[in-house]
Amino acid sequence: GQQLNQSPQSMFIQEGEDVSMNCTSSSIFNTWLWYKQDPGEGPVLLIALYKAGELTSNGRLTAQFGITRKDSFLNISASIPSDVGIYFCAGRKAAGNKLTFGGGTRVLVKP
Amino acid sequence: DAGVTQSPTHLIKTRGQQVTLRCSPKSGHDTVSWYQQALGQGPQFIFQYYEEEERQRGNFPDRFSGHQFPNYSSELNVNALLLGDSALYLCASSLAADKAFFGQGTRLTVV
Repeated sequence: GQQLNQSPQSMFIQEGEDVSMNCTSSSIFNTWLWYKQDPGEGPVLLIALYKAGELTSNGRLTAQFGITRKDSFLNISASIPSDVGIYFCAGRKAAGNKLTFGGGTRVLVKP
Repeated sequence: DAGVTQSPTHLIKTRGQQVTLRCSPKSGHDTVSWYQQALGQGPQFIFQYYEEEERQRGNFPDRFSGHQFPNYSSELNVNALLLGDSALYLCASSLAADKAFFGQGTRLTVV
């Protein structure tokens, strides 16, 4: 079935660093959503994007809806320890339709 | 304002048994979707309910069924449980086609 590819699969962060991750698809989506999931919890919505080229911020998080509508990017600036977790992108093809999720990017703290 | 609530939080069932999971949507939301999340993977869409009817279904067998009640709450039923049904089951609610908010999930273990 349809899949979204997230990269990197995992990354280590050091406090204060900026980090980036992306999500790509072979087909077009009309909405992109970014979620963060902590162990044992459900995904928490971070940012929603509705228009190609849109750039939206939520505090230290910034996400962009790719011009081709086949990709999206998430940046975290000045990372802090609580940024650790799994970040998922999700795409929706049309209003009300299901969300298709990527495999996640696991963010870990550098030892 | 209560968010999406799911019950129970954890459940252990024997292979071949049946299980019912419950979800109360966020206040004001009329659409409920169910997702299955296997360990280490992104959530996979099971089905979506709107106005007490199944509006869309993912690639899951008929053993998975659901229901939406007039107060918009929902149930997910799984019959003839298999070991492979062990997963985190997530409920998401939304108002029509807007952003989807997830509950904390029900961890189902089939032994």
